Amino acid sequence: AQTVTQSQPEMSVQEAETVTLSCTYDTSENNYYLFWYKQPPSRQMILVIRQEAYKQQNATENRFSVNFQKAAKSFSLKISDSQLGDTAMYFCAFMTQGAQKLVFGQGTRLTINP
Amino acid sequence: NAGVTQTPKFRILKIGQSMTLQCTQDMNHNYMYWYRQDPGMGLKLIYYSVGAGITDKGEVPNGYNVSRSTTEDFPLRLELAAPSQTSVYFCASSYATGATWATNEKLFFGSGTQLSVL
Repeated sequence: AQTVTQSQPEMSVQEAETVTLSCTYDTSENNYYLFWYKQPPSRQMILVIRQEAYKQQNATENRFSVNFQKAAKSFSLKISDSQLGDTAMYFCAFMTQGAQKLVFGQGTRLTINP
Repeated sequence: NAGVTQTPKFRILKIGQSMTLQCTQDMNHNYMYWYRQDPGMGLKLIYYSVGAGITDKGEVPNGYNVSRSTTEDFPLRLELAAPSQTSVYFCASSYATGATWATNEKLFFGSGTQLSVL
């Protein structure tokens, strides 16, 4: 079974700083997808970024980028120029191609301080 | 465009009571899911459906039942509520053709139902 591990339960940085959230996963599959979801206090689940395992290039969405290390099974999220609105729980998630089911990590609570 | 709608938003149950969490989507998605999120934890899959009339168990199905009589609706039934079922429940949907998501496909979530069993 696939597992996703986020080893940082909580993180806190100052506004405008850069922060990196860690995620590792375990799978024997070769084709899969990885995701980062943001969950603000409103409870809404918001897709931040996704990465296809077959793509070597790291995904980027504005201030959000990932460092995808397939051999190490690592998928970290970097938030540049952090903003107060980035304060939320962040979940790493994994899906095997064809499985159509997301497996989530435990989450990292990120606080951006003014 | 409503997306994924869950009702109710909050509910308190007594041990042994039953209830149905409603979920409906208006995006003509074929896949629908129920997740639960325990405090400080990630989401765990309860049940999912790949289309009307088809359902399957996820990681934590015990104590729950689902049905998918239409494409739009995917209700989750709790028959004998227990304190261990206190959680936030999320319904989600997505669209896939064949065996995989399209390049830009994603999971759409409802706003969640906070359930407490006392």
